[in-house]
Amino acid sequence: AQSVTQLDSQVPVFEEAPVELRCNYSSSVSVYLFWYVQYPNQGLQLLLKYLSGSTLVKGINGFEAEFNKSQTSFHLRKPSVHISDTAEYFCAVIQRSGAGSYQLTFGKGTKLSVIP
Amino acid sequence: ETGVTQTPRHLVMGMTNKKSLKCEQHLGHNAMYWYKQSAKKPLELMFVYSLEERVENNSVPSRFSPECPNSSHLFLHLHTLQPEDSALYLCASSRNPGQGNTGELFFGEGSRLTVL
Repeated sequence: AQSVTQLDSQVPVFEEAPVELRCNYSSSVSVYLFWYVQYPNQGLQLLLKYLSGSTLVKGINGFEAEFNKSQTSFHLRKPSVHISDTAEYFCAVIQRSGAGSYQLTFGKGTKLSVIP
Repeated sequence: ETGVTQTPRHLVMGMTNKKSLKCEQHLGHNAMYWYKQSAKKPLELMFVYSLEERVENNSVPSRFSPECPNSSHLFLHLHTLQPEDSALYLCASSRNPGQGNTGELFFGEGSRLTVL
């Protein structure tokens, strides 16, 4: 079964410092990769996605992620965080699981806390 | 604004009540989902409807009853719930993956349910 691992459940970081949120997945086949963000008391919204092509993907709010096939990773990064980036971040993977069927799996989430 | 609307945003109910959560999407998607998000737990997929047919039911107790009358609407009927059912219930929609579609989910803002 496919799995998505977000290694850090909580990441505190000072304002204007860089941050990296880690995501690893277990799949040897082609996948689609996503990062979602959830602000307090809201639903999840798409931050960025990797489908194919360039391994560096840029998303909204200055975030980017790099797909590394050999390490099966899709880490999320931002060079300088703001207070408003405080939220929970979810990594997700869609993998083809059979003829015409796909499996979507979410990680457990990483809570990013930006400290003034 | 993701194009997926959930009502009500907040609901408080007793264990003997019957209530329903509603989800509506006008994105032309053909799959809809219910997720449960509890504190300190990962996202739990409850139900998936594809083309108005239920394709997944992840061992959800029968006190939760989904209904998908058409591709734009999804309901979650609730009856005789338990306090541990208190959570944020998220609705999402997508195009089915394949044929150029990635299957990414678009989420509503959630319905915060409290069972007394």
